[in-house]
Amino acid sequence: AQTVTQSQPEMSVQEAETVTLSCTYDTSESDYYLFWYKQPPSRQMILVIRQEAYKQQNATENRFSVNFQKAAKSFSLKISDSQLGDAAMYFCAYRKRGNKLVFGAGTILRVKS
Amino acid sequence: DAGVIQSPRHEVTEMGQEVTLRCKPISGHNSLFWYRQTMMRGLELLIYFNNNVPIDDSGMPEDRFSAKMPNASFSTLKIQPSEPRDSAVYFCASSPSLPDTQYFGPGTRLTVL
Repeated sequence: AQTVTQSQPEMSVQEAETVTLSCTYDTSESDYYLFWYKQPPSRQMILVIRQEAYKQQNATENRFSVNFQKAAKSFSLKISDSQLGDAAMYFCAYRKRGNKLVFGAGTILRVKS
Repeated sequence: DAGVIQSPRHEVTEMGQEVTLRCKPISGHNSLFWYRQTMMRGLELLIYFNNNVPIDDSGMPEDRFSAKMPNASFSTLKIQPSEPRDSAVYFCASSPSLPDTQYFGPGTRLTVL
């Protein structure tokens, strides 16, 4: 079975600083997708970034980037120039091609002004 | 563009009552997913459909839960009879096809007294 582990229940970052959220996963597959979703207090699940396992290049979306280490089964999210609006719960998720999403337990990110 | 629409946003009911949650996926999306989020179990996939056909309902907790997708623009999740342990936030998500990114609705917060 595929599992996703987020070892940091909570993280804090100063506004304008950089923070990295950790995620590891367990799979025997070679073709899969990884995602980071953000859930602000409104409860909406918002896609932050996605990575295809067959791509060696790390995905980036503006201030958000990932460090994808396939051999280590690690998929961390880096948020640069943190903003107050980045405060939320962040979920790492794994999906085998065509199959269902498996989510980690989430990391609460607090942004200090 | 309209995102995934869920109704109601909040539902409070008494134990034993029937509850129906509704979802309208993004137009043109062929896959639809129902998730449940609780503090204890995190985000869990309940069931998903592809082209209106249920593909995997192994996450449905018990026979009290049922889901239908009568057409490409509408799905329901029904709980009958409801129990206090069903209290959770229920999310609907859709994607253009099974391997693609899932886009989530705002969720329905269900409270069963």
